[in-house]
Amino acid sequence: KNEVEQSPQNLTAQEGEFITINCSYSVGISALHWLQQHPGGGIVSLFMLSSGKKKHGRLIATINIQEKHSSLHITASHPRDSAVYICAVRSTGTASKLTFGTGTRLQVTL
Amino acid sequence: DAGVIQSPRHEVTEMGQEVTLRCKPISGHNSLFWYRQTMMRGLELLIYFNNNVPIDDSGMPEDRFSAKMPNASFSTLKIQPSEPRDSAVYFCASTPRDINTGELFFGEGSRLTVL
Repeated sequence: KNEVEQSPQNLTAQEGEFITINCSYSVGISALHWLQQHPGGGIVSLFMLSSGKKKHGRLIATINIQEKHSSLHITASHPRDSAVYICAVRSTGTASKLTFGTGTRLQVTL
Repeated sequence: DAGVIQSPRHEVTEMGQEVTLRCKPISGHNSLFWYRQTMMRGLELLIYFNNNVPIDDSGMPEDRFSAKMPNASFSTLKIQPSEPRDSAVYFCASTPRDINTGELFFGEGSRLTVL
């Protein structure tokens, strides 16, 4: 079992839909990152969380430390949100190593 | 700011050749990471520098891989000799402060194909 599991692996939505991507992890962490990777490959850091909730525009990230679970929500989705979303965790005691999920491929259609 | 700059963006080479990938972190960032991304294994950390010193190189696959950071504004990842299984996208990332609190800023990646 991977230390970081994401679901779903693939997601297709229509423009305007509310989207949720989930991330579960099995280790104690000091931080969790949500990353976005567009076709063409560049990676952008969306959020870094250690507790609670963060919001940036139409994106919201939450984390429940007790349940070892994080969600990334996209409100009013748009085709430009189409990308791979990657969850990554920094385990406690491993200052440098991020463990990455396999990503969720999101396609938003008109 | 220009962001993290990587070069080359694409490299195609033949097995056995030396490959050098370059990275310029964001000015003022004191931590630098090299990651490798493949379809099979996803993103993996290769090496982490803090203040130009290698802190964790446990992800470097084998002796064919080496990385240097001669100063705060430049790092290289070298593969010698290259093999087809090294084909991947190599990302450099930097963070402005303590690794436990800083967000990561990624370069655009260097896509390596070894024939």
